[in-house]
Amino acid sequence: GAVVSQHPSRVICKSGTSVKIECRSLDFQATTMFWYRQFPKQSLMLMATSNEGSKATYEQGVEKDKFLINHASLTLSTLTVTSAHPEDSSFYICSAESNRQPNTEAFFGQGTRLTVV
Amino acid sequence: QKEVEQDPGPLSVPEGAIVSLNCTYSNSAFQYFMWYRQYSRKGPELLMYTYSSGNKEDGRFTAQVDKSSKYISLFIRDSQPSDSATYLCAMSGGGFQKLVFGTGTRLLVSP
Repeated sequence: GAVVSQHPSRVICKSGTSVKIECRSLDFQATTMFWYRQFPKQSLMLMATSNEGSKATYEQGVEKDKFLINHASLTLSTLTVTSAHPEDSSFYICSAESNRQPNTEAFFGQGTRLTVV
Repeated sequence: QKEVEQDPGPLSVPEGAIVSLNCTYSNSAFQYFMWYRQYSRKGPELLMYTYSSGNKEDGRFTAQVDKSSKYISLFIRDSQPSDSATYLCAMSGGGFQKLVFGTGTRLLVSP
């Protein structure tokens, strides 16, 4: 149990276009999901906390107008990178917290490798 | 200075060796300490977590936290080739919210 699916696993897009990444909890409901980013040779950094039915909470330094987060259901959160630029190329990964056991564990998706050319 | 420091490795050991993985941190507000294992092209999976100081054992894995030194360790006994992965430490001031990760240590266990 506790499977989180992230799609796509890899995406290449042109500079200036937008890219949507999906994060789904397959066998549990998740009121809260988290979005992380990892640049090469750096650690996973929390970008934002996504709450179902409300606005996401962004970490300091993360542009909310550039990284749009939508958490419209208890099993799906999406991250849209708008007007992507090469410096947005990174590994994006989500995690989801089960409603049944809040704040006990957050399960990770497999991540999305974004390359902006 | 990074909040969490972790040697990226790679750390190469023969099968059966005892492995010691470590992280140091600077934020004294951290109370929860986690270790994740990440295989190539997979998301991190939680191995163990501890609250505050002390030891925790689960099979071949032992996690230690020394808050006075701001130092945490993960020991793997009788290491196996299947343990080859990247091990990430993570910590927070409150549960699994707002985790702060180390860079991860790549472990290679050779047969």
